[in-house]
Amino acid sequence: NAGVMQNPRHLVRRRGQEARLRCSPMKGHSHVYWYRQLPEEGLKFMVYLQKENIIDESGMPKERFSAEFPKEGPSILRIQQVVRGDSAAYFCASSPQGQVYEQYFGPGTRLTVT
Amino acid sequence: GQQVMQIPQYQHVQEGEDFTTYCNSSTTLSNIQWYKQRPGGHPVFLIQLVKSGEVKKQKRLTFQFGEAKKNSSLHITATQTTDVGTYFCAGDATWGGGADGLTFGKGTHLIIQP
Repeated sequence: NAGVMQNPRHLVRRRGQEARLRCSPMKGHSHVYWYRQLPEEGLKFMVYLQKENIIDESGMPKERFSAEFPKEGPSILRIQQVVRGDSAAYFCASSPQGQVYEQYFGPGTRLTVT
Repeated sequence: GQQVMQIPQYQHVQEGEDFTTYCNSSTTLSNIQWYKQRPGGHPVFLIQLVKSGEVKKQKRLTFQFGEAKKNSSLHITATQTTDVGTYFCAGDATWGGGADGLTFGKGTHLIIQP
């Protein structure tokens, strides 16, 4: 049973470019969460999605960031016009139900903006 | 908004010594989860506590949830080099099915000197 998969594992973008991060949840999991982690920092919640629905995006910056979890395919976190401050590790987690259950994290995508 | 504070930020111990990290929430929690992240890795779920005053043990690890459900602790007895990593608590203030992402503390980095 494959775990949560994220790709790419490492992504380098120049300022102003777009970054697309993909997350495939564990089989049977319908809930996906995205977190951002800066070096030596904790995980900051960004967005919580179910299939075709954004449940909670209270942690998402209002501009340039968007997320989706389509009926088919992986969840996508999209960052438009990246800036140096977007450099971080972005982790996706999934769970079979909502928050009451533990979350299984993917290996993360380390985004570097040059 | 909800805040979760964790202390200490860093803890250096000699191998074989005990280690404790403490977690405090600004709001009453419905449950608290603990995760471990190895250097360069991703968070891995350790345990979830739900009941007031709950104590759970996993081999050398003891987890406690406070009576008021606002604080928690993780204690490791006789640390080993494999315990190295960052330990995060994550609080869930969701009651009755509302939607909120987990709020993570900034973590305690455990450094073990052989």
